[in-house]
Amino acid sequence: AQKITQTQPGMFVQEKEAVTLDCTYDTSDPSYGLFWYKQPSSGEMIFLIYQGSYDQQNATEGRYSLNFQKARKSANLVISASQLGDSAMYFCAMRETDSWGKFQFGAGTQVVVTP
Amino acid sequence: NAGVTQTPKFQVLKTGQSMTLQCAQDMNHEYMSWYRQDPGMGLRLIHYSVGAGITDQGEVPNGYNVSRSTTEDFPLRLLSAAPSQTSVYFCASRQFSGANVLTFGAGSRLTVL
Repeated sequence: AQKITQTQPGMFVQEKEAVTLDCTYDTSDPSYGLFWYKQPSSGEMIFLIYQGSYDQQNATEGRYSLNFQKARKSANLVISASQLGDSAMYFCAMRETDSWGKFQFGAGTQVVVTP
Repeated sequence: NAGVTQTPKFQVLKTGQSMTLQCAQDMNHEYMSWYRQDPGMGLRLIHYSVGAGITDQGEVPNGYNVSRSTTEDFPLRLLSAAPSQTSVYFCASRQFSGANVLTFGAGSRLTVL
């Protein structure tokens, strides 16, 4: 069963605007981690941000923030002040503590930033 | 530079041929894994290892073999390539402590004709 759902296959955003990428997850494990990765057209996978299930505050890393709503099982990525270099595929992922902490990835959201 | 090194970067095979994708990491990570990336399907786990001598299957293991004789290396073997194995393959590793962030290799694009 799909444990990570990203419902937005693609989206356009204007430069300097904020964009929210949706991610919902499904787990019964009380201890888990949520991750966002960026994949530019060059193909490498770049880690952006991490949120632990027990973290009280939403994670932030520069222009990236994670809107963590535990009860709704939602971990949306917010990119503020979009730049042309933010054009990429974005993947949400979850690591559960059991099963040796395997990562599961969503299908991804393609973001295109326009001038 | 420390990190995960994958070779080759590109490979074209004919149906039925075998090959090995190499993966090496120099960060002393206990956990190593192989994913395949296909359009619209994200990354799917093929095999993973939690230490030397220990491997297990992921979501899509059929047609692939792995072994882990050292902490550093985790090769992925295609025994008899099929067109359905045309994909981009990523090796990734992590340590068990801390945030457990997965560090990825640059990827290997495989085409099976």
